[in-house]
Amino acid sequence: GAVVSQHPSRVICKSGTSVKIECRSLDFQATTMFWYRQFPKQSLMLMATSNEGSKATYEQGVEKDKFLINHASLTLSTLTVTSAHPEDSSFYICSARDQGGTDYEQYFGPGTRLTVT
Amino acid sequence: GQQLNQSPQSMFIQEGEDVSMNCTSSSIFNTWLWYKQDPGEGPVLLIALYKAGELTSNGRLTAQFGITRKDSFLNISASIPSDVGIYFCAGQYEKLTFGTGTRLTIIP
Repeated sequence: GAVVSQHPSRVICKSGTSVKIECRSLDFQATTMFWYRQFPKQSLMLMATSNEGSKATYEQGVEKDKFLINHASLTLSTLTVTSAHPEDSSFYICSARDQGGTDYEQYFGPGTRLTVT
Repeated sequence: GQQLNQSPQSMFIQEGEDVSMNCTSSSIFNTWLWYKQDPGEGPVLLIALYKAGELTSNGRLTAQFGITRKDSFLNISASIPSDVGIYFCAGQYEKLTFGTGTRLTIIP
C-alpha cells in the first residue's frame, strides 16, 4: 500500500531557531502534498497545499514567510518552521495524493511532534 | 478554518457494545471520509463515501453519506479493545475539512 514517511518523528528546538520537517511518499509519486497542524486534543487543520514545482497555497491565517514549504520532487516536500516560538509547538502531519489515484485519496504520514522551548 | 461538527465528543463503552457517531456540516461535500487516529500517529482511512445516500461497510464498520450531502454517520459493531482511539470525519470539496473528533474509550 501507499506509504508516507516523515522525518524527524520528534524534534525539540530552542526559540528563535528554524526546524525542517521532511515528508516523503515512499512507493508512489505525489504531485500534491498537504501540511496539517494538530494541537493537543484538537482536530487536524490544513496549513497549506504543496504542488510539485510550484509555490505552495497557504490557508488563511497561516504565515507563508514563517512556514516555508518546498516541493522539489514528486516524492518529497519539506516544511521549515522559521524563527520558531513556543506557540509553534504542535503535531505536524503531512499527506500525499497519489498522482495515479483518485482525487479524494490522501495518504497521511505518521506526524512530527515539534516542541519549542 | 472550518471544522465539521462531530458528536459525541467522547464515548465510554464496554467491549462488545455498538458505537455510533455522526458528523454534520453547513457546507455540501462531494466525498465523506472517516479516519481513525491513534496517539502520536497520523490518521488512517477507514471508509470513503462518494455518493449521497451511499451506505458502505468495511468489516464491523458501516458508514453512510447523508442525502443532503451535509452529514454522515459511522457505526462500529461489537467493539473490541483495538477500536480505542480518536475518530475523525472529513468532508472533501477540493480539499479535506476535518471534524472535531470523537474519542472512543473502552471500559474494562
